[in-house]
Amino acid sequence: GQNIDQPTEMTATEGAIVQINCTYQTSGFNGLFWYQQHAGEAPTFLSYNVLDGLEEKGRFSSFLSRSKGYSYLLLKELQMKDSASYLCAVVDSNYQLIWGAGTKLIIKP
Amino acid sequence: ETGVTQTPRHLVMGMTNKKSLKCEQHLGHNAMYWYKQSAKKPLELMFVYNFKEQTENNSVPSRFSPECPNSSHLFLHLHTLQPEDSALYLCASSPTSGGANEQFFGPGTRLTVL
Repeated sequence: GQNIDQPTEMTATEGAIVQINCTYQTSGFNGLFWYQQHAGEAPTFLSYNVLDGLEEKGRFSSFLSRSKGYSYLLLKELQMKDSASYLCAVVDSNYQLIWGAGTKLIIKP
Repeated sequence: ETGVTQTPRHLVMGMTNKKSLKCEQHLGHNAMYWYKQSAKKPLELMFVYNFKEQTENNSVPSRFSPECPNSSHLFLHLHTLQPEDSALYLCASSPTSGGANEQFFGPGTRLTVL
C-alpha cells in the first residue's frame, strides 16, 4: 500500500530551527508537496520538490532524496506564527496526491 | 472575493437532516475537489471534478452526493449522515486534475453530526 509517515507533533523554541521529516512509500513518484495549515484555516502551499536536493525559500527550505523516499521541511528563525500543522503529500504515478497525517508544530517563547 | 470560499463554515445537523455544503473558486481553475479531514488522519480525497466531469469517487458512501454545475462551483449534498461523518470538509481547486498541480484550499466546513 501507499504510506506517508511524519511525526504527529513537535515542539520548538522561538528563534530556533526545526526540521520536520517525511518518509514515503508510494507507487511511483511525481513530486512532493509541503503545505502549512493553521488551526481552523485552509492548508496553504509551501513548497514542491521533484528533483533531489534542497530548495530554499526565505526562512523555509525543503529537501528531497528520491532514492531514500525522504523529505524534510526546515524552518529557521522560528516565529510564534509558525505554530501550525505541516502536511506532506506525494504525487504518485497516477498523479494522485497521497497525504500524510500532518505534523503539529508548537512554538514556545 | 478571491481564492476559494466555502459556506457554511460550521454546520450542526441531525442524522435525519438534509443539508448542502457550497464551494466557490475565483481562480479560473478547471478542477475541484472535496476532502474529508479528521483529527490526526491524512486528508481523505472524496471526489474530483475536472471540467465539470466527475473523475474520482473514492468509495464514498452514497449519503454524500456531489454536484458540479460549472467549473467555479461545487456542492456536497448530505443526507442521513452518521456521527462518524463529523469532520472538517475541505474544498480545493487546481488548474486541472492531471499533473502535479498545486491545490488551493478553502477554509473548510466544520461538520458535526448529532
